[in-house]
Amino acid sequence: LAKTTQPISMDSYEGQEVNITCSHNNIATNDYITWYQQFPSQGPRFIIQGYKTKVTNEVASLFIPADRKSSTLSLPRVSLSDTAVYYCLVGSAGTASKLTFGTGTRLQVTL
Amino acid sequence: GAVVSQHPSWVICKSGTSVKIECRSLDFQATTMFWYRQFPKQSLMLMATSNEGSKATYEQGVEKDKFLINHASLTLSTLTVTSAHPEDSSFYICSARTQAGRYEQYFGPGTRLTVT
Repeated sequence: LAKTTQPISMDSYEGQEVNITCSHNNIATNDYITWYQQFPSQGPRFIIQGYKTKVTNEVASLFIPADRKSSTLSLPRVSLSDTAVYYCLVGSAGTASKLTFGTGTRLQVTL
Repeated sequence: GAVVSQHPSWVICKSGTSVKIECRSLDFQATTMFWYRQFPKQSLMLMATSNEGSKATYEQGVEKDKFLINHASLTLSTLTVTSAHPEDSSFYICSARTQAGRYEQYFGPGTRLTVT
């Protein structure tokens, strides 16, 4: 399983764009990159998933360079409610393929 | 997105008793489900992979006789913590992957277990 490395914590002010970068140097050819958000005492919530280049949905963008050894989750104009832990996971497609969590990034948004 | 539920959301039990936690995929079938545990301020730790109709696969260091997993149907997996002790107190989370799209993994809301 590809190991991921993220910053332990980040701080931001409300309204700013936040970029969280994840390193996954030994990502395999058939691995996807998925980001999750977790609030205290809740299960992780799927944010976005990508394989290469850029993916955008209604809540975030995911940037993946050509070598795929890293990825960046971009949260536009964060609010206080975006304060949470963000996890980057790497794993292959397939319903039986397990995902292993790294330490995650604790994002604190303040006024 | 797909929905995964867990029951109960929290449970308190006495040391030495057993507790069963249910995990259901509400709008999709899941041949495989995963069980995680999470201690305060820590990341999720994968405990086991639950396979419908066959034995679960446990991660290294997880006692299979203590954490019994049964995947009786395509929408239900159960985790039974047997002879619970205070050190088993934790947040237990299940997940399942859908077959649609890129196999996104969806997580249940978690079950808080407190052993007194």
